[in-house]
Amino acid sequence: EVQLVESGGGLIQPGGSLRLSCAASGFTFTSYAMNWVRQAPGKGLEWVSGISGGSIRGGPEGTYYADSVKGRFTISRDNSRNTLFLQMINLRADDTAMYYCAKEESYHNSGPGHYWGQGTLVTVSS
Amino acid sequence: EILMTQSPATLSVSPGERATLSCRASQSVNSNLAWYQQKPGQAPRLLIYGTSTRATGIPARFSGSGSGTEFTLTISSLQSEDFAVYYCQQYNNWPPYSFGQGTKLEIK
Repeated sequence: EVQLVESGGGLIQPGGSLRLSCAASGFTFTSYAMNWVRQAPGKGLEWVSGISGGSIRGGPEGTYYADSVKGRFTISRDNSRNTLFLQMINLRADDTAMYYCAKEESYHNSGPGHYWGQGTLVTVSS
Repeated sequence: EILMTQSPATLSVSPGERATLSCRASQSVNSNLAWYQQKPGQAPRLLIYGTSTRATGIPARFSGSGSGTEFTLTISSLQSEDFAVYYCQQYNNWPPYSFGQGTKLEIK
């Protein structure tokens, strides 16, 4: 059974940093593209970032970002630990949201999230 | 960036009746369109991808249609557990994968 469990959220002051984690199980993690999607309180879904499946020859995975987070957020994965990360710096009030990780059904980022975690809440406030 | 527009914002339907939800893209997304269901306090759940393919475990009363810029999600006979918010998402031109703003399906 596919399971995705996010952690690392919390209350952080504007300008602060946070690293989210998504622990994956029930599938061959390195073989699948992954994404982060967020949802501000009472609002709709917003895609944040995506990363391709694990690198085969040791080179970097493909990484992709929404304009709203480019330069502030970094997505990465540790395939030995079956874990997806989202490093967030220079956080702003409008980054306040539930952050979900989602698994695609292919190695390359190309489609919808077939499986989602339950999310971790990030609140940016002084 | 492709803009996705869903209509109506809220749809009131009685249990057992048919519900039809619409999603329009600002430019063609071919058939690269997905639908999600989200209930309060829960993560989104994939219902439909590739415009019309049901995801694993999704009942046959959910169906998707359309192509290009106009798409429809139909729920043939509403069950109590179907009342939720529904989002469409395009994955043809990315980044970003863009979502519609959602349609809330409520009990009439």
